[in-house]
Amino acid sequence: QKEVEQDPGPLSVPEGAIVSLNCTYSNSAFQYFMWYRQYSRKGPELLMYTYSSGNKEDGRFTAQVDKSSKYISLFIRDSQPSDSATYLCAMSAPTNAGGTSYGKLTFGQGTILTVHP
Amino acid sequence: EADIYQTPRYLVIGTGKKITLECSQTMGHDKMYWYQQDPGMELHLIHYSYGVNSTEKGDLSSESTVSRIRTEHFPLTLESARPSHTSQYLCASSPYAPLDRVREQYFGPGTRLTVT
Repeated sequence: QKEVEQDPGPLSVPEGAIVSLNCTYSNSAFQYFMWYRQYSRKGPELLMYTYSSGNKEDGRFTAQVDKSSKYISLFIRDSQPSDSATYLCAMSAPTNAGGTSYGKLTFGQGTILTVHP
Repeated sequence: EADIYQTPRYLVIGTGKKITLECSQTMGHDKMYWYQQDPGMELHLIHYSYGVNSTEKGDLSSESTVSRIRTEHFPLTLESARPSHTSQYLCASSPYAPLDRVREQYFGPGTRLTVT
C-alpha cells in the first residue's frame, strides 16, 4: 500500500467552479503537508504548505489538514483556465524525536485538473 | 522564480550509451535531489545530497550515479542506458531550513529521456 494516495482524475470543471483536491495518507508521523502545481513540461512549484492540522488560506487557495482522518485537501475558489495543471500533494515526517529535523518528501501521484472557459 | 536549470530538456538515445543529465542551481542551496517521474505516477526520489561530497541513494533503486563536487552542480550519470530508464528526471534543491520552516524544494524543468 502506498503511503500517500491521490485520485489521479482527470478532473474537468467550468471556469468559476470550486475545486476540491484530496490526498489520504497512512503514516501518522507526517507533520508537514504541501501542495505543488505542475504545468505541462515544467517542474513542480510549491503552492502552499501547512504544519500539523488546520487550515491555511492564500488568495483563492485554501489548504486543509485533518490529521485524525489522515486526509488533506486543497480548495481552489473561482477557478481559472490558468489553474489547469497537475496538482501534487507531498508530505514530510520528522526524523528525530524532537521534531527538529525533517526527512524527505513523499509525493502523491498527482491530480490532473482542467478548467475550461 | 527558482534558478535551477536542467540540460538537456529532451534526449533520445540508443541502448548501451553513457549519458549525463546536468543540473545546476544559482541559489546557493546546500541540498539537492533527483526524482524520477513517470506519467500518472508519483515522484520517486532516486538520489539526494546534503552538501559537497555528500550523496545518498533515495527510496527508489536506480542504476544511475551522482556526484556533488560543487555546491551548484549535481549531475546524474547512466553508464549504460536501457529502455527501462525511459522516464522524466527532475532535479530539485532546497535551502537550509531553521526549526520553524519547512524545506521548500525548488524544481528544475526536467529532462525527458527516451532510450530506444
